[in-house]
Amino acid sequence: DAGITQSPRHKVTETGTPVTLRCHQTENHRYMYWYRQDPGHGLRLIHYSYGVKDTDKGEVSDGYSVSRSKTEDFLLTLESATSSQTSVYFCAISAVAGAAGANVLTFGAGSRLTVL
Amino acid sequence: GENVEQHPSTLSVQEGDSAVIKCTYSDSASNYFPWYKQELGKGPQLIIDIRSNVGEKKDQRIAVTLNKTAKHFSLHITETQPEDSAVYFCATKGNEKLTFGTGTRLTIIP
Repeated sequence: DAGITQSPRHKVTETGTPVTLRCHQTENHRYMYWYRQDPGHGLRLIHYSYGVKDTDKGEVSDGYSVSRSKTEDFLLTLESATSSQTSVYFCAISAVAGAAGANVLTFGAGSRLTVL
Repeated sequence: GENVEQHPSTLSVQEGDSAVIKCTYSDSASNYFPWYKQELGKGPQLIIDIRSNVGEKKDQRIAVTLNKTAKHFSLHITETQPEDSAVYFCATKGNEKLTFGTGTRLTIIP
């Protein structure tokens, strides 16, 4: 997972509280993505970014927002966490369009979120 | 949107034997088919990919075959080793975004 750091790696929170997950990259890649991984569902795209302040929704974006104020940082925010958002969240980067194009995604190590 | 089905969900093979994982997809416009390997506690990592103008691609002990007519592609691992134990994900990309399969947990029995 060289070049991508996710924080926190583990978090337990209560329903209704806000949560922010951070993805930091040192590769200067243009594209960044947030996925969630759940048993039986594989990896599902939440949001992605194609540049600073340029973001778009994925297939499971409800209840999530993102921000990208710098090339290296991509934040995922759960405004009011719910138990259905208990999951493992992965950040990914690509030099050119990955999820939207056809290039290699490099994933972070994941952030495990538990919402009680 | 695209629908990707991956089978089997779990697979156990004896060390040294071969393992095959198959994915089917629905979008005929899909033109890129990567496979990712996820080891315990880590993020997925690309191990091999194939584009629609190629029917087969091989890299040492792993190979991917693509049948565009039938809309399925498969991952083949030969001479399996303990370090091949992991979860494997297929994915496809057509005009829209990358869509992942639901994963196969491969266990290599020593």
